[in-house]
Amino acid sequence: DGGITQSPKYLFRKEGQNVTLSCEQNLNHDAMYWYRQDPGQGLRLIYYSQIVNDFQKGDIAEGYSVSREKKESFPLTVTSAQKNPTAFYLCASRNSGRAAETQYFGPGTRLLVL
Amino acid sequence: QQQVKQSPQSLIVQKGGISIINCAYENTAFDYFPWYQQFPGKGPALLIAIRPDVSEKKEGRFTISFNKSAKQFSLHIMDSQPGDSATYFCAATPEASGSRLTFGEGTQLTVNP
Repeated sequence: DGGITQSPKYLFRKEGQNVTLSCEQNLNHDAMYWYRQDPGQGLRLIYYSQIVNDFQKGDIAEGYSVSREKKESFPLTVTSAQKNPTAFYLCASRNSGRAAETQYFGPGTRLLVL
Repeated sequence: QQQVKQSPQSLIVQKGGISIINCAYENTAFDYFPWYQQFPGKGPALLIAIRPDVSEKKEGRFTISFNKSAKQFSLHIMDSQPGDSATYFCAATPEASGSRLTFGEGTQLTVNP
């Protein structure tokens, strides 16, 4: 069963705590992306990676960190520096071998602050 | 800053009607324009996409109209159905960016039975 999986579906963060959101894909895609979605707003790019061991900041990278040690995995850490982390987080991947190939999205993780 | 402006923010249509969502962009380097459909609590899914070498693309009940000179593109949903009720996002990307998409703010469509 191919696709993108994100876990957990819901995640609760205590003040001052770092939390990590998982994103795994078995589509053999080179590029992976993390977006944040707030109610009534579009998707905003946090980080993206076009190849293993390399990643770039998106538009709202402050308070977040990522790693890309394996092609199929792109975890996102929401650090304590992110003061307003409550949002719906979406991971996506894309086959960068074809120009302008579409991005495929996972089911998302909803992060809530206790 | 690269932006994509989307309107309306919300739209209510009757079953069988036509739903129209509009987007405008500024960056002339954009050359791929996808539309995504998102149901509550789910990730967005690609609905239809267009490149600027054509003015219209149709897939079933969904049509994209593209006006390169006006830097505008729109999604038309013909014979709208209650199952089409979702949030729709337009997006744009310049091919050279490695498909770094810029999204519109989204339109919440409700189709009444």
